[in-house]
Amino acid sequence: DADVTQTPRNRITKTGKRIMLECSQTKGHDRMYWYRQDPGLGLRLIYYSFDVKDINKGEISDGYSVSRQAQAKFSLSLESAIPNQTALYFCATSDSRVSGSYEQYFGPGTRLTVT
Amino acid sequence: AQSVSQHNHHVILSEAASLELGCNYSYGGTVNLFWYVQYPGQHLQLLLKYFSGDPLVKGIKGFEAEFIKSKFSFNLRKPSVQWSDTAEYFCAVMRESTGFQKLVFGTGTRLLVSP
Repeated sequence: DADVTQTPRNRITKTGKRIMLECSQTKGHDRMYWYRQDPGLGLRLIYYSFDVKDINKGEISDGYSVSRQAQAKFSLSLESAIPNQTALYFCATSDSRVSGSYEQYFGPGTRLTVT
Repeated sequence: AQSVSQHNHHVILSEAASLELGCNYSYGGTVNLFWYVQYPGQHLQLLLKYFSGDPLVKGIKGFEAEFIKSKFSFNLRKPSVQWSDTAEYFCAVMRESTGFQKLVFGTGTRLLVSP
C-alpha cells in the first residue's frame, strides 16, 4: 500500500489550460515537496512546505502555485500550462520530528504532457 | 553551475562487472548525502545515506558509497552488478547551511546492465 499517492498518474492537457496535480500521504509527515524531473536535468525543486501555514518557493517556481490543504495534502497547480512544463512530477515527504533523519519519500509520479 | 555533479550520464556494463558511479558536490560545510535509485517506470527509492560517522556506508541490494570529505565526493559502488540493477541513479545533497531543508539532486546516471 502506497504511503505517498499522486493523482492523476498521467495527464495530457492543452496549452493555456489550468491543471492541478494532487499529492496525499498517510505517513504523518509534516514536510512535503514538489519536484519536476526532466531528462538530463535530474530533479528540481518547485515548492516545499514545512507545515500547513509554511509554503516556500524552490528553484523553479515560476508558472506554478501550490496549496497545502491539510498536513496530508499538497497540491500543485499550473495556472496556464505551457509545453515546456511537460515533465514527470514527483511529490515527496519527510518527517522533521525524527532527529537526524532527512530522508525524503517519493510518490509514484505524474507524467504531464502539455500539447 | 551544477552544484551536484554526476559525470557519467550513461553507463553500460555486463552482468558481474563492478560498478562505480561518481558524485561530486561543490558545497562547503556540513552536508548529508544520499543516493536514490529509480527503476524503469517507478518512483525514487533510497539506496543509502550518509549523515555522520563511518564514511563508508552500506545500503540495500549490495550497494555501498564512500564519503571523501577532502574530495567532496560520494561515489556509489557495487562489486558485481545484476541485470536487475538497470535503473537511473541520483546523487543528492542536503546542506546544514540551509537547515537541512532541501535536497539538491545531480542530473542522474542511467545504468544499463546487459545479461
